[in-house]
Amino acid sequence: EADIYQTPRYLVIGTGKKITLECSQTMGHDKMYWYQQDPGMELHLIHYSYGVNSTEKGDLSSESTVSRIRTEHFPLTLESARPSHTSQYLCASGQEVLGNSPLHFGNGTRLTVT
Amino acid sequence: GQNIDQPTEMTATEGAIVQINCTYQTSGFNGLFWYQQHAGEAPTFLSYNVLDGLEEKGRFSSFLSRSKGYSYLLLKELQMKDSASYLCAALGTGFKTIFGAGTRLFVKA
Repeated sequence: EADIYQTPRYLVIGTGKKITLECSQTMGHDKMYWYQQDPGMELHLIHYSYGVNSTEKGDLSSESTVSRIRTEHFPLTLESARPSHTSQYLCASGQEVLGNSPLHFGNGTRLTVT
Repeated sequence: GQNIDQPTEMTATEGAIVQINCTYQTSGFNGLFWYQQHAGEAPTFLSYNVLDGLEEKGRFSSFLSRSKGYSYLLLKELQMKDSASYLCAALGTGFKTIFGAGTRLFVKA
C-alpha cells in the first residue's frame, strides 16, 4: 500500500531548468525527509522537516530548497538543474516522537539532467 | 562524528543462514533500524531495536548491543527473493536517521 507518493517517477531535463519534485503522504506524519541516493550507494539526507513551517538542511550540500506549508506535502525544488544532480531522490515520512516508528519511503524520482 | 559501517557485499546459499553486521557511532541514540532495499526500489522496514538483545520476526532477527555500538541482522532459510541491499540505520539526537551504505546480499541456488 502506497501511503506516500512521489511524482514524477522518472524525469529527464536539460541543464539550467527549474524543477519541483512532489511528495505527499496521507499518514499524518509530522516528520518528512528528502534523501539522495546514487545506484548502489548510501542514502544522503538533503532536507528534513519536523512539521508545518519547519525545514532544515541535511548533511549533504545541495542546491535545492524545500517547503512545508501543509503537513502532507513536502516538495523539493531545484532552481537550476545540473548534470551533477542526476540521481534518485527518495522522500520519507515518520512520526515525530515515537522512536520505534520507522520511516516510510516513497517510490522515488529518478532524475537525469542532460 | 556519526558513522555507520557494514560490509559492502555478502553471498550466501539458498536455505542457509546469513548474519549481516553493523557498527555505529552516533550523537545520542534512540534506536537501530534495519531496512531492505531491492534494486531500483525504495527501502522497506524490517526491524527495530532500542534495548540490548535479540528481536525475532519470522525468518529475520536483529540483535543490538548498545555498549559495543553493534547490531546484526540474521536471515534464516534464505530464499532467492532475499537478494537485496540491507541498510543499517541509527536514530540519533533529534530523531535524525543516519543510514549506512548498505550490504548487498546475493543469494545463490
